[in-house]
Amino acid sequence: DSGVTQTPKHLITATGQRVTLRCSPRSGDLSVYWYQQSLDQGLQFLIQYYNGEERAKGNILERFSAQQFPDLHSELNLSSLELGDSALYFCASSAGQGVGTDTQYFGPGTRLTVL
Amino acid sequence: KNEVEQSPQNLTAQEGEFITINCSYSVGISALHWLQQHPGGGIVSLFMLSSGKKKHGRLIATINIQEKHSSLHITASHPRDSAVYICAVDQYNNNDMRFGAGTRLTVKP
Repeated sequence: DSGVTQTPKHLITATGQRVTLRCSPRSGDLSVYWYQQSLDQGLQFLIQYYNGEERAKGNILERFSAQQFPDLHSELNLSSLELGDSALYFCASSAGQGVGTDTQYFGPGTRLTVL
Repeated sequence: KNEVEQSPQNLTAQEGEFITINCSYSVGISALHWLQQHPGGGIVSLFMLSSGKKKHGRLIATINIQEKHSSLHITASHPRDSAVYICAVDQYNNNDMRFGAGTRLTVKP
């Protein structure tokens, strides 16, 4: 158990809908990262927050947004969902500012299916 | 061309064999990560390297910054090592992280 929790575990929804994925980092970790893993594109980095502020941005679509709250949990919002958004979404956390400095601890993932 | 290339894509070994998985990258990096993804989907970070060599139990990771190459070695492989091993790099100039496609390892008893 990494200490990173993600909810829900599974999510099934329809095209055009909006969903929110939630992540609670390990106790004491200030950075949260979001990743998408699809069958055709593998793992992709979406976005990182450090202590409430956006720190790094990867291949995140404009339909997706994220935030990190004062209690350090993070939410990833996915809107106007398309079939291609079906994927495993992982959250990870680390103690510091990340990117070249920190080991990341991964949550169990949320499997999103868009029908 | 992907910035991070792994080889082989698939690897089958007998229990006890020495395993090597390779990773080559084409961008400037601040660190390289080796991740293990279990059949159930969970991901574990095995190593983070910026130079030299690290060892943890039966796992050894090396990196050659000049050649832009890293290897993950597993000594005395065991069926419980069966997983997908993923190489990832923290890009130096844009705080982005790029992933290899993964190497699927199956260790047979």
